[in-house]
Amino acid sequence: DVKVTQSSRYLVKRTGEKVFLECVQDMDHENMFWYRQDPGLGLRLIYFSYDVKMKEKGDIPEGYSVSREKKERFSLILESASTNQTSMYLCASRRDPLTEQYFGPGTRLTVT
Amino acid sequence: AQTVTQSQPEMSVQEAETVTLSCTYDTSENNYYLFWYKQPPSRQMILVIRQEAYKQQNATENRFSVNFQKAAKSFSLKISDSQLGDTAMYFCAFAGGNYQLIWGAGTKLIIKP
Repeated sequence: DVKVTQSSRYLVKRTGEKVFLECVQDMDHENMFWYRQDPGLGLRLIYFSYDVKMKEKGDIPEGYSVSREKKERFSLILESASTNQTSMYLCASRRDPLTEQYFGPGTRLTVT
Repeated sequence: AQTVTQSQPEMSVQEAETVTLSCTYDTSENNYYLFWYKQPPSRQMILVIRQEAYKQQNATENRFSVNFQKAAKSFSLKISDSQLGDTAMYFCAFAGGNYQLIWGAGTKLIIKP
């Protein structure tokens, strides 16, 4: 079974802190994604990566950056956390564009 | 721009009943993929069913089936003989030529015992 893990289920940070969210997949998938999930808005794509060291902006990249130094790991970075970044963050991976996405359990981030 | 609309924020049905979740989408593309994902409470999102637009036959996975109406741009999910474990958020998603998913807002489905 494909396994996608995220470093934390719950995280509380202060405004202005630098925040790292880590995602690891164990199935050698090429593509990885970071989404933000908010009630009534569904999932919105922050960034995606289709290969190591490659990244593309999604629909809402402002205030975020990403890093993919190894194929299995995709990190989301909040350079200076703000209260409007309080949300559920979901990581996903897939083998190629025609296959399904597999999701991690999510990280619920609260910025105070 | 492509959009996906789920008009039912929340639904509830009795166990063993059949329930249909609605999804409409807007696109000018002819070839695309449609998905239903399920997110149980405090658990990971998983794929329920997938439909390729070029296939006329509606996809089916056990108790889950879709009614795909390409001309109407409608993609509803039918759950037969609903079970308590079907309680979840259900998301409809569209993937066009760039293969990035566009998501609906979700429908919260509650199965009552």
